[in-house]
Amino acid sequence: AQKVTQAQTEISVVEKEDVTLDCVYETRDTTYYLFWYKQPPSGELVFLIRRNSFDEQNEISGRYSWNFQKSTSSFNFTITASQVVDSAVYFCALSESKAPNSGGSNYKLTFGKGTLLTVNP
Amino acid sequence: SAVISQKPSRDICQRGTSLTIQCQVDSQVTMMFWYRQQPGQSLTLIATANQGSEATYESGFVIDKFPISRPNLTFSTLTVSNMSPEDSSIYLCSSSGSTDTQYFGPGTRLTVL
Repeated sequence: AQKVTQAQTEISVVEKEDVTLDCVYETRDTTYYLFWYKQPPSGELVFLIRRNSFDEQNEISGRYSWNFQKSTSSFNFTITASQVVDSAVYFCALSESKAPNSGGSNYKLTFGKGTLLTVNP
Repeated sequence: SAVISQKPSRDICQRGTSLTIQCQVDSQVTMMFWYRQQPGQSLTLIATANQGSEATYESGFVIDKFPISRPNLTFSTLTVSNMSPEDSSIYLCSSSGSTDTQYFGPGTRLTVL
């Protein structure tokens, strides 16, 4: 069974600090996708990044960066120079392949429990 | 990425009643999904809404409680039937197209008294 563990329930930092959110996953699939989503207080879920299991290159997008380590089954997310607007719950998610006859190439997502990040001014 | 809207954005309902939540996508998508997020918890997949066939429900969720419709490639509804306070949650729909990335609607905050 798929499993995503976000061991950090809550993190509190002061603005401009760097912060890393941890994500560890378990899967028997050889092909899978990993995701990060942000859920601000308003409640909507905002897609941040998708990474496939064959691409272990780290990625940087502005103040955000992601470190994918297949050897340790981890997909960690770092925010550099955090800002108050970064305050949100962040979810890591893992996809699994659906049954061959289910149609299309769409995947079921398994979410971690989320990490509440509070950035204080 | 697809833009997804949901109606209603929030509602307060009495126990024993039913509520139908609508999800509209601005483009045709292969699959749509319905999730529940109980207070302070993560997201749990309720079912996958398949166009032209019955929805596929996850363990712990049944059609009688959460009937789903998918009349076309841009629209789906989820009904929460015979509600109890335990059904108080945020209900989110999502869709995925050719990229397999799921994009989410803004959610429906349901409170059952």
